[in-house]
Amino acid sequence: QSVLTQPPSVSGAPGQRVTISCTGSSSNIGAGYDVHWYQQLPGTAPKLLIYGNSNRPSGVPDRFSGSKSGTSASLAISGLQAEDEADYYCQSYDSSLSGYVFGTGTEVTVL
Amino acid sequence: QVQLVQSGAEVKKPGASVKVSCKASGHIFSSYAIHWVRQAPGQRLEWMGWINTGNGNTKYSQKFQGRVTITRDTSASTAYMELSSLRSDDTAVYHCARGDSSGRHSLDYWGQGTLVTVSP
Repeated sequence: QSVLTQPPSVSGAPGQRVTISCTGSSSNIGAGYDVHWYQQLPGTAPKLLIYGNSNRPSGVPDRFSGSKSGTSASLAISGLQAEDEADYYCQSYDSSLSGYVFGTGTEVTVL
Repeated sequence: QVQLVQSGAEVKKPGASVKVSCKASGHIFSSYAIHWVRQAPGQRLEWMGWINTGNGNTKYSQKFQGRVTITRDTSASTAYMELSSLRSDDTAVYHCARGDSSGRHSLDYWGQGTLVTVSP
């Protein structure tokens, strides 16, 4: 099954900026489908963090930003805070599968 | 406010079936798709399928085709996911999620999750 590839983990000190990559293919991100990002705090359901590549739902701090280029996308967290420790997943639509695909997930650790 | 409330945890034997419910409130039920996503322990999110709550049409992931059935009861604003022929590797938390209305394919609200344990 086609998946989106993310680094297993990233870490940073409080206040620093970290980025998470999401690499897809010509049937999903490269085909022009939007990329969305979810934050999953330990033991909770995922929460929509970024939609449509770079848009934040109401209530999401502007420390979180997203971008997309070619077959890849990125999530950036600036001014890292302890409360940002969580798993982050990218997601898109895949035309060859006619369904949704998720990234492999990235664990963010605040040092 | 939009809420998706799921049924409680289940324990099933291998070969059995499980049916999980997802009751929606705070929005017009038939105007938004409901998707099902599962997460095995320590694993990534995995999309299972979705239902058009307006007309009942469904689309399933190839991985679950033939084993999963998603239905809805519009009078109860509730969607259901039934998984049959359970195996030990079906042990996971199963989430329902609302599909956005913009056509951008995001999942904007999620249920709290239902733990399904498959054990002899």
